[in-house]
Amino acid sequence: EDQVTQSPEALRLQEGESSSLNCSYTVSGLRGLFWYRQDPGKGPEFLFTLYSAGEEKEKERLKATLTKKESFLHITAPKPEDSATYLCAVQAGSNYQLIWGAGTKLIIKP
Amino acid sequence: DAGVTQSPTHLIKTRGQQVTLRCSPKSGHDTVSWYQQALGQGPQFIFQYYEEEERQRGNFPDRFSGHQFPNYSSELNVNALLLGDSALYLCASSSTAYNSPLHFGNGTRLTVT
Repeated sequence: EDQVTQSPEALRLQEGESSSLNCSYTVSGLRGLFWYRQDPGKGPEFLFTLYSAGEEKEKERLKATLTKKESFLHITAPKPEDSATYLCAVQAGSNYQLIWGAGTKLIIKP
Repeated sequence: DAGVTQSPTHLIKTRGQQVTLRCSPKSGHDTVSWYQQALGQGPQFIFQYYEEEERQRGNFPDRFSGHQFPNYSSELNVNALLLGDSALYLCASSSTAYNSPLHFGNGTRLTVT
C-alpha cells in the first residue's frame, strides 16, 4: 500500500536556526513528490515538485531534495513568517490522486 | 489572475441533511479534484473530474458525488450527512500537463451537528 510519513509532527525553532523536515514514502512507481505549505484556515500552497532521486529545488530559504525513499525540506535561517504546516504528497503509477503525509507544523519564534 | 475559488467558506448542517459545495478552477485549468481534510491530517482524495467525467475516485462512499460543468467548475454533493463528515473540503485544479501541480482553494469548513 502506498504510504507517506512525515517527521517530526511539530518543530519549534528560533529565528535563524536552520533545520530539516523529513518525508519518507513507500510507493510503486513514483511519478512525482510534491511539497506544499498550509497556513491556518487556508488551502495548501504549492512549493516544489521533485521527479527523480538526486533532484534538488530551491525557493528563498527552502530547499527540497529527493532520494529513492525520502525527501527533505531544508529551511535555512528561517523567519517567523515561515511558520506553517508543511505537507508532502506523492503521485505514483497510473493514479491521478496524491497520497499525503499528515504534515509537519513548523513554528519559528522571533 | 483568479485562483481557485470555493463557496461557501463555512457551513453548518444537521445529521441526515444534504450539502452542495462549489468550486471554480484557476484560469486555464480543466481538471478539478476534491479532497477532505480532517483537523491535523493530510488531505484525503475524494475524486477527480476531467471533461465532465469522474476520472478517478478515492475510498469514499457513494454518499459523496460530484459534477463538472462545461466551464470546468465543479460541485461536490454529500447526502445523508454524518458527524464524521465534519472536515475542511478542499477543491484543487490543475492542467492536463504531465505532473501538473494542484492549485488549491481555501476550502469549505463543514460542521455536522
